[in-house]
Amino acid sequence: GENVEQHPSTLSVQEGDSAVIKCTYSDSASNYFPWYKQELGKRPQLIIDIRSNVGEKKDQRIAVTLNKTAKHFSLHITETQPEDSAVYFCAARSSGNTPLVFGKGTRLSVIA
Amino acid sequence: ETGVTQTPRHLVMGMTNKKSLKCEQHLGHNAMYWYKQSAKKPLELMFVYSLEERVENNSVPSRFSPECPNSSHLFLHLHTLQPEDSALYLCASSDGQVVAGELFFGEGSRLTVL
Repeated sequence: GENVEQHPSTLSVQEGDSAVIKCTYSDSASNYFPWYKQELGKRPQLIIDIRSNVGEKKDQRIAVTLNKTAKHFSLHITETQPEDSAVYFCAARSSGNTPLVFGKGTRLSVIA
Repeated sequence: ETGVTQTPRHLVMGMTNKKSLKCEQHLGHNAMYWYKQSAKKPLELMFVYSLEERVENNSVPSRFSPECPNSSHLFLHLHTLQPEDSALYLCASSDGQVVAGELFFGEGSRLTVL
């Protein structure tokens, strides 16, 4: 089955700096890669996703890149703000009717 | 504001108790999920129901028993739990007749087993 590794587990950045979180996956058939954000005491929520037919996707200050050959994908947050502080989870899903497999999460702290 | 509601939000139980977690979704989705969230671990998928039929059961101990009476409600019945079962239990739903699409999570039920 699919296995997703996520790094780093914790990340601290100064407000205004960029943050990058990286994930690798094992199943070359995986075709859907979402990112979820979970603020303290809140539910995880989808913030951006990418499919295997696209190499990069951007939504305002967040972007996701996908390298199918290397089987890794990354989340980029630019001009970080204190409200970006949260735990971020990457996930991958193989083709077909298989559920998402999540990474262990990255706790991002943005220091004002 | 929320499309997925979980009750109770917090639960403390002894190892011999029997309790249930409830999840209700108001989004018209066809698939519902139970996830376990423990510190420093990935979100662990426990059960998936699609069109009220269980389609996934990830080797979860029998002390956890799911029930999906209709497409809007999902229960997790708990009995003779262990302290290591203490965690945040998240319910989620998704659209479509297959296990796919964006997951909409509830706020979770924080379970403590004494």
